[in-house]
Amino acid sequence: DIQMTQSPSSLSASVGDRVTINCRASETTRSYLNWYQQKPGEAPKLLIYAASTLRSGVPPRFSGSGFETEFSLTIKSLQPEDYATYFCQQTYNTPWTFGQGTKVEI
Amino acid sequence: EVQLLESGGGLVQPGRSLRLSCVASGFTFDDFAMHWVRQVPGKGLEWVAGINWNGVSEAYVDSVKGRFTISRDNAKKSLYLQMNSLTTEDMGLYYCVKDQSNGVFSGVHPLDYWGQGTLVTVSS
Repeated sequence: DIQMTQSPSSLSASVGDRVTINCRASETTRSYLNWYQQKPGEAPKLLIYAASTLRSGVPPRFSGSGFETEFSLTIKSLQPEDYATYFCQQTYNTPWTFGQGTKVEI
Repeated sequence: EVQLLESGGGLVQPGRSLRLSCVASGFTFDDFAMHWVRQVPGKGLEWVAGINWNGVSEAYVDSVKGRFTISRDNAKKSLYLQMNSLTTEDMGLYYCVKDQSNGVFSGVHPLDYWGQGTLVTVSS
């Protein structure tokens, strides 16, 4: 199975900060990489797919980059509603696997 | 508006069975692959199983192969997960998830809509 490792596991940031979350795959996933946001008590929501394609309706302060084994999610200017846990997921090989999550806190 | 409504979770003894259901609305159900993803509350996400648009192709995480069966009834716009020989490792919130594509193998698969989940508890 492809192991997905996110870093950091948690971070503290202030409104307006630029935040970057990293996701490393144990082997290539080409660009078959998604990012999700999950708030407490809610289901995950898709933010970015195919490594860098922003889902329709997602604010442009979110962006994704990377290829093969190294990926990142960047929030250009953190907003209060962005405090959440973020997960990466590969869909290159079944079983599709998720990273362990990165919690973004104040 | 896309809606996915799960049901069938509950408390079950180890070794017993449970069948989860998910009724979909707001989109053309038989155009898209569907999946089950589970999460232990407060923990990470685990993809459990997926099925392609017409039900011909299925895929599972190794830990449930031979015990769980994913299926769909396109006429009823419904997705199912038959879970047999349950263990405490199977506990969690099970989400019904829509795929933006129609297959279940390697490729671009944005999981674009998630239900609110149904909770499975395995305990004697």
